[in-house]
Amino acid sequence: SYELTQSLSVSVALGQTARITCGGNNIGNKNVHWYQQKPGQAPVLVIYRDDNRPSGIPERFSGSNSGNTATLTISRAQAGDEADYYCQVWDSSTAPFGTGTRVTVL
Amino acid sequence: QVQLQESGPGLVKPSETLSLSCTVSGGSISSDYWSWIRQPPGKGLEWIGYIYYSGSTRYNPSLKSRVTMSVDTSKKQFSLKVTSVTAADTAVYFCARSLSGTDDAFDVWGQGTVVTVSS
Repeated sequence: SYELTQSLSVSVALGQTARITCGGNNIGNKNVHWYQQKPGQAPVLVIYRDDNRPSGIPERFSGSNSGNTATLTISRAQAGDEADYYCQVWDSSTAPFGTGTRVTVL
Repeated sequence: QVQLQESGPGLVKPSETLSLSCTVSGGSISSDYWSWIRQPPGKGLEWIGYIYYSGSTRYNPSLKSRVTMSVDTSKKQFSLKVTSVTAADTAVYFCARSLSGTDDAFDVWGQGTVVTVSS
């Protein structure tokens, strides 16, 4: 099965930039999707197909994908960005999720 | 816009069958792919499988032997059954939509329903 590895936690100062990585074998050849999940809530899609933002998602959220690493970047971090973030791909018609990264805004 | 709502028992006994339904409102069920995703307490997300309105399915290999999905287009509902449950099946269960079965993101999610496996 295809494995996606994320760092357990990332801390970012208010107003600074957070980068969340998602590692997978040749992940650059796949479309990567990113979700934000706040406590007690369902996940929300924040980036789809590597670098596309759904309507309503701030421009502060951006994504990239190359080689063995995909990255979600949160610019000008706000307190409301504190959440768990998960990457996800499709592989052999299954949909593995990354292990998740807890983002803390200081 | 499309909305999803899960329903079903919140408590299931070990060795019994977990049964959940997801109702689609604000759009058609007869397009797109409909998935179940779960999240054990304090853990990450696990995709269980999807069903297309035609009835074709794809399951996570790790759960395939215990999972069955079905769809009722007249009720705009799709369903999940997991047999022989154990405490490891205790989780929040989400239903979600993806526009295609094997490349698109899950762009609409239900609020989730808590299922506890306990005697």
